[in-house]
Amino acid sequence: GAGVSQSPSNKVTEKGKDVELRCDPISGHTALYWYRQRLGQGLEFLIYFQGNSAPDKSGLPSDRFSAERTGESVSTLTIQRTQQEDSAVYLCASSPAGQGRRGYTFGSGTRLTVV
Amino acid sequence: GENVEQHPSTLSVQEGDSAVIKCTYSDSASNYFPWYKQELGKRPQLIIDIRSNVGEKKDQRIAVTLNKTAKHFSLHITETQPEDSAVYFCAASTHGQNFVFGPGTRLSVLP
Repeated sequence: GAGVSQSPSNKVTEKGKDVELRCDPISGHTALYWYRQRLGQGLEFLIYFQGNSAPDKSGLPSDRFSAERTGESVSTLTIQRTQQEDSAVYLCASSPAGQGRRGYTFGSGTRLTVV
Repeated sequence: GENVEQHPSTLSVQEGDSAVIKCTYSDSASNYFPWYKQELGKRPQLIIDIRSNVGEKKDQRIAVTLNKTAKHFSLHITETQPEDSAVYFCAASTHGQNFVFGPGTRLSVLP
């Protein structure tokens, strides 16, 4: 597609439920990133996928968080047993990666509210 | 790993004045430094970037400078306008992969 697509755009869930967030990167972008942004806060790195390499999961805050990506396509971020502190906007970004490339392109995010 | 600091956290300027935001990084291997603008409720968008083989880059009212020796880089906005009001994030990366972001600067341009 023309840009990074994320769905749903908004999600309200009850505490304790599982949620799945989806990111469809720009075609041909080998790198895909998930960030969390709490209200009025900065960009908190969660996980990074680069092609078929093992993902960098160093930013995942707990074992309730997991993400998958098949090849260079769609990625899903799953949060199990959601807690109120999980409420945030979850941003996905993709990049062609590699030297000489320009920056990330961000999706519009999924606003998650845990009630 | 890389650590990026950003100052100030908030900045208010009068319309027409200049604004400067400064970032420092820790990893001397970092060689690509983009700046992102995030308007309220919207996604971050790339506004300008600089590579380590360049000391300064300009794009109309926006410029970025890089001091590799001191490991810091700055965003300069001249003739500020109300639509420049946003949160600005700097970032550092090696070869355009896995950026580390600064904590952001909230810029308010007062009419």
